[in-house]
Amino acid sequence: KAGVTQTPRYLIKTRGQQVTLSCSPISGHRSVSWYQQTPGQGLQFLFEYFSETQRNKGNFPGRFSGRQFSNSRSEMNVSTLELGDSALYLCASSPGQGASPLHFGNGTRLTVT
Amino acid sequence: AQRVTQPEKLLSVFKGAPVELKCNYSYSGSPELFWYVQYSRQRLQLLLRHISRESIKGFTADLNKGETSFHLKKPFAQEEDSAMYYCALKGTGTASKLTFGTGTRLQVTL
Repeated sequence: KAGVTQTPRYLIKTRGQQVTLSCSPISGHRSVSWYQQTPGQGLQFLFEYFSETQRNKGNFPGRFSGRQFSNSRSEMNVSTLELGDSALYLCASSPGQGASPLHFGNGTRLTVT
Repeated sequence: AQRVTQPEKLLSVFKGAPVELKCNYSYSGSPELFWYVQYSRQRLQLLLRHISRESIKGFTADLNKGETSFHLKKPFAQEEDSAMYYCALKGTGTASKLTFGTGTRLQVTL
């Protein structure tokens, strides 16, 4: 089975712009979660989607949003980018809501200048 | 609130020496605990989970509810064990959310 696929691998954006990141889960997995990884804060939970509905949300501002499609693929959007949004964004999938363990993708490295 | 603490940022050991990566947690219910590992230039991957009670790559971890700890141990370190190790907690309920510790970098030297 192919693993979790995230695109693009790298992104460079300017402050104030918006960005969309994409995640394709492992085939058959219906739950997708997003995490932000930074040197200072470590791995922090952003949100979880299951059956096209957001099921859980972390402590991030409303500029961070996401969605899930009927094929379980997910996108994450960050609007009005700030320098502090520079991070590695990781997507993880699991077979169902609340199921474990999570399987992670390689991540998208976002740099905001 | 749930919290995971990994007190050591870096642990450096010699090849063949025992390894213990510490993890303490705070959670009011019965959590599920995991160890994830990230080797250089690879994705974050599951190493082991407490409910499996298995040994992976020679590593074991026992959940101690009294001490709220889930330390990762290996009797004899190998060079290929050098990596970043994260302890993670999943609470009860239907959410898949993991709370991660800040990670410990294990460096195994000759």
